[in-house]
Amino acid sequence: KAGVTQTPRYLIKTRGQQVTLSCSPISGHRSVSWYQQTPGQGLQFLFEYFSETQRNKGNFPGRFSGRQFSNSRSEMNVSTLELGDSALYLCASSWRGSHTGELFFGEGSRLTVL
Amino acid sequence: DQQVKQNSPSLSVQEGRISILNCDYTNSMFDYFLWYKKYPAEGPTFLISISSIKDKNEDGRFTVFLNKSAKHLSLHIVPSQPGDSAVYFCAASANNNDMRFGAGTRLTVKP
Repeated sequence: KAGVTQTPRYLIKTRGQQVTLSCSPISGHRSVSWYQQTPGQGLQFLFEYFSETQRNKGNFPGRFSGRQFSNSRSEMNVSTLELGDSALYLCASSWRGSHTGELFFGEGSRLTVL
Repeated sequence: DQQVKQNSPSLSVQEGRISILNCDYTNSMFDYFLWYKKYPAEGPTFLISISSIKDKNEDGRFTVFLNKSAKHLSLHIVPSQPGDSAVYFCAASANNNDMRFGAGTRLTVKP
């Protein structure tokens, strides 16, 4: 059973640009959550999608957005990048929802903003 | 708004001894708690969980204790092994809400 796949694994952008990250969940999982990991802050919740609908949203500015497709694949977009957006972005999938049990994480997309 | 706090950024123990990782939370609505382990260049992986109706859950060398009155949970690893060296994240969720994570504790188990 294939795990959670995130692309790209690494990317470098400059301030003001925008970026799109992709996540393919485990087959059959309908929930996809996105987290930002920075040193000292742990995993900060961005948002969760379930069956193409945003179920929950964390405390991030509107520059951070996401969507989920009918095949459960999800994308997140960050517009007008700032230096502070440099982080590891982790995607996690689950069958019923992030609140119900264990999440299966991808390896992450490491974004560097110069 | 850090609802889940891991106040120790790092912990070092000797192989064979007990490792105790601590976690505090502020949201009394949390009813499900989990621990995840993360190795470098990998995503976190689920380790063990506990429901708020229990105060202890054991899985092999790993035991999680929950003290609801103190809003505190801990992960015990006995005996600790060098392969346990990783970052451990505490996480909690309330019904129909997302899962919140702590900042993580880096455990180093010395041979």
